[in-house]
Amino acid sequence: EAQVTQNPRYLITVTGKKLTVTCSQNMNHEYMSWYRQDPGLGLRQIYYSMNVEVTDKGDVPEGYKVSRKEKRNFPLILESPSPNQTSLYFCASTDYYEQYFGPGTRLTVT
Amino acid sequence: DQQVKQNSPSLSVQEGRISILNCDYTNSMFDYFLWYKKYPAEGPTFLISISSIKDKNEDGRFTVFLNKSAKHLSLHIVPSQPGDSAVYFCAASGDAGNNRKLIWGLGTSLAVNP
Repeated sequence: EAQVTQNPRYLITVTGKKLTVTCSQNMNHEYMSWYRQDPGLGLRQIYYSMNVEVTDKGDVPEGYKVSRKEKRNFPLILESPSPNQTSLYFCASTDYYEQYFGPGTRLTVT
Repeated sequence: DQQVKQNSPSLSVQEGRISILNCDYTNSMFDYFLWYKKYPAEGPTFLISISSIKDKNEDGRFTVFLNKSAKHLSLHIVPSQPGDSAVYFCAASGDAGNNRKLIWGLGTSLAVNP
């Protein structure tokens, strides 16, 4: 079954404690990206990757890092999380236009 | 400033009737439009799309219409079913070079009543 998986689904953490949200896809897509969804602001792109070892900033990259060492995985790293990073995060992958999303990770930073 | 706008936060229709969800955009560089459906606690699911070179695309009960001159698109669901109750997002693409990012509307929550 074609899918995008994310882990963890839910995470409560404290300010400054480094965390990683994993994302994996089994569709052999080259392009992957991360979005965050916030009330009244919709979905906004954080980072994207056009292929292995090629990543670039989206609209709201501050406070985040990503890596793309292999095609199927695209982890999102928060080196020092802050409360304003409390949000719902989605990973997506695509061949071209139609993006396929993971189930989301709800992150709370206290 | 919102480049993709869904002006109706919610919509309620009776089962069997038509649901029409609307979306307006401001950027004439957008060349591809998509509709996604989202259930609670799940990621958005691709529903249907349309290229800017077309004015209509159909897939079963779902039809998307594009009016480029008005910068407006709509999603028609006929007939509506209770399982269609979800949040529907309009998204646009095409103005970001190699970045295939989607610009999203804020969504319309559709409730289909039995």
